[in-house]
Parts: sequence; C-alpha cells; structure tokens
Amino acid sequence: EAQVTQNPRYLITVTGKKLTVTCSQNMNHEYMSWYRQDPGLGLRQIYYSMNVEVTDKGDVPEGYKVSRKEKRNFPLILESPSPNQTSLYFCASSPFRDGTEAFFGQGTRLTVV
Amino acid sequence: GDSVTQMEGPVTLSEEAFLTINCTYTATGYPSLFWYVQYPGEGLQLLLKATKADDKGSNKGFEATYRKETTSFHLEKGSVQVSDSAVYFCALLGDYKLSFGAGTTVTVRA
Repeated sequence: EAQVTQNPRYLITVTGKKLTVTCSQNMNHEYMSWYRQDPGLGLRQIYYSMNVEVTDKGDVPEGYKVSRKEKRNFPLILESPSPNQTSLYFCASSPFRDGTEAFFGQGTRLTVV
Repeated sequence: GDSVTQMEGPVTLSEEAFLTINCTYTATGYPSLFWYVQYPGEGLQLLLKATKADDKGSNKGFEATYRKETTSFHLEKGSVQVSDSAVYFCALLGDYKLSFGAGTTVTVRA
C-alpha cells in the first residue's frame, strides 16, 4: 500500500530537549515536504526537498532542521524545541517535482511544555 | 506572495443539504488549484484539482470551477452525507509548495 508514515503520532516533550520526527514514504517520490498545522492558519510549509541531498526552506523554517540522505526518508529535527512549536505536523511526498498532488502522512501532534 | 482565503467555519448542515465553501486566491499568474479534505485523525487527501481557467474539478460528488475573473475556486456538493464531515482546505500550487487556506470544518448531522 502506498503511504507516508510518520512517527511518533503523539509526543509531549520539554523545552530544549532535542527531538526528531521521522517520515518515510514507499512510493519512490523525489519530492518531500514538512508542514505544520495551526488553528486559523491552515498548513504552512517548513522545509521541502526535491531530491536526495537537496533541501530548501519553506515559509516557517526557523527552529527546524531537515536532512535527506535517502530518497524514502525525510526527518524533521527540532534541536531546541520551544512552546511555540507546539503544533500538528504533517509530512508529505509527491510524484511531481513541484510538489503537486501530495500524499500526506497521518500527522504528529507535538506538545512542548 | 501567494495566499488563499476560504470561508470561516464551522459549518453545520443536515444530511442531503447543499454545501458551498468559498475560496479565493491571490497569486502571480494562473496557479493550479486544489481542494484537500482531512477526516478526523487523518492526514490530508486530495479531493479535486483544476489546472487552468474554466477547468472543473470533480470527485465524490464534489465540484469546483476555476474562475480566473473572480480568482475563485468554490467547492460545492449538492447533497451531503454524514460521511462528508471533515475539514476542507483550499490550496494553490506556487513555487515548489502548496499554499493552504485556514480550513473549513464541516459537520453533517443525520
């Protein structure tokens, strides 16, 4: 089954404790992306990657890092999480280089206290 | 920059009622437009799309027409079901990213 898998689904952490949210896709897509979803703001892009070792900033990259060492994986790293990063995070992949028709993961609900 | 504005929710309807969710956009040129749906506890799924002016996207009884003159892409369904209860997002494709509206929560009551 074609899917985008994120882990964990839920995470509560403390300010400053480094964490990684993993994302994996089994569709051999070159394009992958991370979004955060906040009430009243919709989804905002954090980072995207058009291929292995190619990443670029989205609209809200501050406080986040990503890496793309393999085509299937695109982890999101919060080096020093803060409460304003409490949000619902989605990973997405697309068969198209411009990111259209994206497939989304089920989301990771992160709470930073 | 690119932006999408969609009607505020929440919207509550009875089964078999007519649903309209307004969406307007601001962008350079003529971007591809999309509606995504998010069912409770799940990620977003592509519902329909339109890639040029006057195109009509349709899926699962939902329709939306790309109106260049009014920069709009309103979502409609003639007869909703309880299973249509979800959050609906309008989006446009800019440079290597989708720009989303804030989302409209729709609840359909039996």
